[in-house]
Amino acid sequence: DIVMTQSPDSLAVSLGERATISCKSSQSVLYSAINKNYFAWYQQKPGQPPKLLIYWASTRESGVPDRFSGSGSGTDFSLTISSLQAEDVAVYYCQQYYSTPYTFGQGTKLEIK
Amino acid sequence: QVQLVQSGAEVKKPGASVKVSCKASGYTFTDYYLHWVRLAPGQGLEWVGRISPNSGGTDSTPQFQGRITMTRDTSITTAYLELSSLRSDDTAVYYCARDLWVLGSRWYGAFDVWGQGTMVTVSS
Repeated sequence: DIVMTQSPDSLAVSLGERATISCKSSQSVLYSAINKNYFAWYQQKPGQPPKLLIYWASTRESGVPDRFSGSGSGTDFSLTISSLQAEDVAVYYCQQYYSTPYTFGQGTKLEIK
Repeated sequence: QVQLVQSGAEVKKPGASVKVSCKASGYTFTDYYLHWVRLAPGQGLEWVGRISPNSGGTDSTPQFQGRITMTRDTSITTAYLELSSLRSDDTAVYYCARDLWVLGSRWYGAFDVWGQGTMVTVSS
């Protein structure tokens, strides 16, 4: 199984400041033949199901604000929120869909400082 | 609108079975994989398995094989997850989620529409 490891486990950032979450996979999730990383980010707020933010490592899902961006390739990825808003408080998960069983990171809890 | 609506909370004793349903609406049910993902207390998200509503074919995480049955009823656009020989560590919120890409795509495995979740509590 591909192991996904996020850092940090929790993060406190001031409103309007930048927040960055990292995720590392135990093996590459880049399918080089089509140059696509089989990698996604989700946001989960308390009492709600997860919400897809980004897939293909950097493609924003429809309706996701452009302050959210994803980057990285191979085994190292990051999610950046350029200017933190109060509604961004949530747990964020990375996920690989390169191979089954699909696996998630352990989650990063983002709070307001 | 595209929607997945799950059945209500369940409380089961160890060793029992539970069956959770997921009713799909707003799209062609047989066009997309349906996945099951769980979130246990204090844990992260865990993919449980998936079903092709078109063929009925399934696959799941190895740790669940032998205990898990995924089925669907296309006439009522509903998928089911049954988990048997329940243990206390099966206590979790179970979500169904639709695959982002239509069946027949070259890729699968991101989840764009989620059910509201079903809390399954296993306790003696």
